Amino acid sequence: DAGVTQSPTHLIKTRGQQVTLRCSPKSGHDTVSWYQQALGQGPQFIFQYYEEEERQRGNFPDRFSGHQFPNYSSELNVNALLLGDSALYLCASSLRAVNEKLFFGSGTQLSVL
Amino acid sequence: KNEVEQSPQNLTAQEGEFITINCSYSVGISALHWLQQHPGGGIVSLFMLSSGKKKHGRLIATINIQEKHSSLHITASHPRDSAVYICAVRSPQGSQGNLIFGKGTKLSVKP
Repeated sequence: DAGVTQSPTHLIKTRGQQVTLRCSPKSGHDTVSWYQQALGQGPQFIFQYYEEEERQRGNFPDRFSGHQFPNYSSELNVNALLLGDSALYLCASSLRAVNEKLFFGSGTQLSVL
Repeated sequence: KNEVEQSPQNLTAQEGEFITINCSYSVGISALHWLQQHPGGGIVSLFMLSSGKKKHGRLIATINIQEKHSSLHITASHPRDSAVYICAVRSPQGSQGNLIFGKGTKLSVKP
């Protein structure tokens, strides 16, 4: 049973570019949440997707957008990259109907030069 | 002031020592998570609790809702316990993944 998988593991972009990160949830999970973790900091909640819709959103600008597909996998898109977007991007999956712990992926390390 | 505060920020222990990591929060919550993050980034959820105490192996998590405080204890610590431990809370209005995270406590256990 595969856990949460994220791709790519590492990515280097330049300012102004656009990036897409991908997340496949744990088998049986229907909800995907995305987080940004700057170096030395705790993660920050970006948004959550359920039933192909954004359900909750943290304090992030509209440059951050997402999508969820019918198979529950999800993408995080960041437009007009800034140096400050350099961070580890994590996703976590859960089953909405069950209030249990989250399952996290290993993250995508994004560097913006 | 951060809504979730952890102490200490860094902790070095000798193998076999009893370890306590503390988490205080200033908001109302519906649940509190303890997470473990190893170098490389991957996060493992250790506990989710809303009251009382939970135990799993050498790990114990407690929460005092009235005092808005939680502790994570590690008994008989081992070098493989070396990691960053993160406390995160979910507000009553937030869904499962909508968490507010502490900055983490970096634990190093020496043999």
